[in-house]
Order: sequence, then structure tokens, then C-alpha cells
Amino acid sequence: DSGVTQTPKHLITATGQRVTLRCSPRSGDLSVYWYQQSLDQGLQFLIQYYNGEERAKGNILERFSAQQFPDLHSELNLSSLELGDSALYFCASRDHTGASGEQFFGPGTRLTVL
Amino acid sequence: GESVGLHLPTLSVQEGDNSIINCAYSNSASDYFIWYKQESGKGPQFIIDIRSNMDKRQGQRVTVLLNKTVKHLSLQIAATQPGDSAVYFCAENGDNQGGKLIFGQGTELSVKP
Repeated sequence: DSGVTQTPKHLITATGQRVTLRCSPRSGDLSVYWYQQSLDQGLQFLIQYYNGEERAKGNILERFSAQQFPDLHSELNLSSLELGDSALYFCASRDHTGASGEQFFGPGTRLTVL
Repeated sequence: GESVGLHLPTLSVQEGDNSIINCAYSNSASDYFIWYKQESGKGPQFIIDIRSNMDKRQGQRVTVLLNKTVKHLSLQIAATQPGDSAVYFCAENGDNQGGKLIFGQGTELSVKP
């Protein structure tokens, strides 16, 4: 158990819909990263938040957005869903106080768009 | 276009043998590298990391080798066990800021008892 929690574990929805994925980082970790893992693209970095502020952006579509709240949990919002958005979505958190750059991954949310 | 599944490289080894998983990274400016193990239905799990000022680092049954000249990383697993069966990803920190990770495509390790 990494200490990172994600809900829901599974999500099935229809094209055009909007969903929200939730992540709670490890206690004390200020950074949250979101990654998408699809069959044809592997693990792709989407976005990072650090202590409530957006820090880095990767291959994130304009239909997707995220935020980090004062209690450090984060939400990833996916809208106008398309079939190709079906994937595993992972969040990871990191402790910036030590030398290690290790990111601790949650169990993921499996999104299926029908 | 039609999506196709990633055809992961596969390594099949006998239980007790040593395994070597290779990875080529893309950015010569990357200064931090990490290996993750992902079992089916789970999130990636940290194995070992290495900074660019080192060329070798050892953990418990695992060793990571870094060759910056050819931008190559390898993971050696000693005395491979059935529980080591998983997909292994190397990752680099790419932009040296914030710590986003750029993942390789992964290698599937299959351990035969």
C-alpha cells in the first residue's frame, strides 16, 4: 500500500459525459501528479500540482482539468468524454523534503467510455 | 485512426536465474532515473532509483546501471522469483523541474517456476 488513495476504482460512462476522479496523496506530500495509462500510449504525464498551484503540464487535453485543494487532495475532471479517453488514470504523490524523487502511485481509476 | 495495443518487449526467465531489463532514455539533460514495477491491476511500485552522478546503484536483489554516454539504463534482478513477474518501466525526470516522470514503454517479465 503506497498510502495514495484514488476513487472510484472503476468508472463506466458514456461519450459526451463528464467525470471527476479523486486522489488523496500520502500524508505530508505536497505534490500530486496525474498520469494516463492507455494501451496505445503507455504511461503519460498529464499535470502536476504543488501545494495547490499548478506546477507542470504535460499531454493534457483541453477537455481535461485538475485542481488541488487546501487539504492537498486533488481532482481530475474529464469532460466531453470520447471513446479514446478510456484508460487507467493514476495519481502519484511525492515528498520534496528528501533527496529521492520517488513518486508514490495510487491504485488507479479505470475509466471506460462506452 | 485505429488504436493498437502496445506490444511490450517480453523477457522470459527461469526461476532462480538473473534477469536484465534494458531501457533507452531520451533526454541527455535528465539527471534522475527510476525503475518501477507494475503488477496487473495495480499502480506502479518503486524499485530503485539513480542520479546521473552515479553509474551503479544496488538494492536488495536489484542493481541499476546507468550509461550516460549511450543514454542507457538497465535493471538487473538477481535470483528471479515468480513474484517478480510484472511489467517493468524505466522513467526519467526529463525537465529537471517539478519532477514529472517520462516513462519508457515497459518490459514484461515472465518468470517460469
